[in-house]
This record gives sequence, structure tokens and C-alpha cells, in this order.
Amino acid sequence: DTAVSQTPKYLVTQMGNDKSIKCEQNLGHDTMYWYKQDSKKFLKIMFSYNNKELIINETVPNRFSPKSPDKAHLNLHINSLELGDSAVYFCASSRLGGAKGNYGYTFGSGTRLTVV
Amino acid sequence: QQPVQSPQAVILREGEDAVINCSSSKALYSVHWYRQKHGEAPVFLMILLKGGEQKGHEKISASFNEKKQQSSLYLTASQLSYSGTYFCGTDSKGNKLTFGTGTQLKVEL
Repeated sequence: DTAVSQTPKYLVTQMGNDKSIKCEQNLGHDTMYWYKQDSKKFLKIMFSYNNKELIINETVPNRFSPKSPDKAHLNLHINSLELGDSAVYFCASSRLGGAKGNYGYTFGSGTRLTVV
Repeated sequence: QQPVQSPQAVILREGEDAVINCSSSKALYSVHWYRQKHGEAPVFLMILLKGGEQKGHEKISASFNEKKQQSSLYLTASQLSYSGTYFCGTDSKGNKLTFGTGTQLKVEL
């Protein structure tokens, strides 16, 4: 049983296209996140949702739009893809208060996005 | 601002010990530690919530110095399976984890 699953695992697309990445967790966690890991392996938070409500929105271009239909799902839609969007995108989840509580984050296996 | 980890990279022989440091410019509420193997997702190791707290996880343990805004991860008697990139994650405001610059650890025979 996969705890946090992301699809697709690989995504190769041309500049200017629109694409979506889906994430689902079956851990019963309240909070879900999107992180971007660049070629230097820096992990940077993009968005955080708690019970379908957006609570963190870092300075991410508005071409990126997260959507949480319910607390088990957090999808990421990207419009007008650019070369610089190439990275690995990780979805993660935690119980409420993940960073300040006793709860670690569980990450999905990642989506490697390549924009050509 | 991103926490700074040191060293950036370290190579160990199996059985050797290592210390990875994580330093923040901001006051910290908590510190997480994760390990990421190549091509895989980061995996949670442990969280430290209070200054002075130390935790152990088999031969991997960590400490948190709240005053110095620092945390250290201790790996003893390293095994091949310890290889990977280690990240600290720090929380200053509450519920927002900022990951450190990462430390690549390689354990060789």
C-alpha cells in the first residue's frame, strides 16, 4: 500500500504546454505539500494545504495552481511551462502541525518534469 | 532563508562515524532530519522539538541547540545503507518546513 502516491513519475513536455501532477495520500493526514527539488538538490516548499484550505503559498509564479478536492488529494497544475520549471516535484503529507508537532513528513516518490 | 549544512559532502569507510551540522539564521521551533537516496523520496528520520533535546534512531542520533539555532546529526559505525543525501528541515514560524542545503554522504567498504 503506497502511502503517498504521485502520478506521473516522469513527464517530458514542450515549452508552452500545460500539465498536471496528481497526488493522493492514504495516511489520513490533514496537511499536504508541494516541494520542488532543483538540479542542485535544493528542496523548496511551494504550497501547503490543510483540510483543502491553502495555508502556505510561497513566491511561486501564478502559472502554478494547486487544487485540493479533498484532504486526501492535492494536485498541481502548471500553465505555459518554461525550461526553468524542469525539476523533481514532490508531494508530501503530515498530520496537522507537521513542522511544529511530533510529526514528520511522508513524501511521494516524485515527478521528474523535463521541459524541452 | 535556507539553513546551511556542513559538510557539503563526506566519504566514510564502513564503520566510521560522521557528524552533520545544520545552522539557521532564525530562531527555531523544531528541527527535522531526512535522508534521501539517489532517485528516491526523502525519508523522515527524526524530529527535535526542544532546545537541548537529543534523540536516537538505532545508530543515528541528533541534538538540538536552540540558543545557537543549530542541530547536529550523529552517525556512528556507519553502514553502506547510510549512503545518501541528508537534509535538515527547520521550522521557525510553525508548520512551514524549510530544508537545508543538504549533505551528501557516501559510505564505502
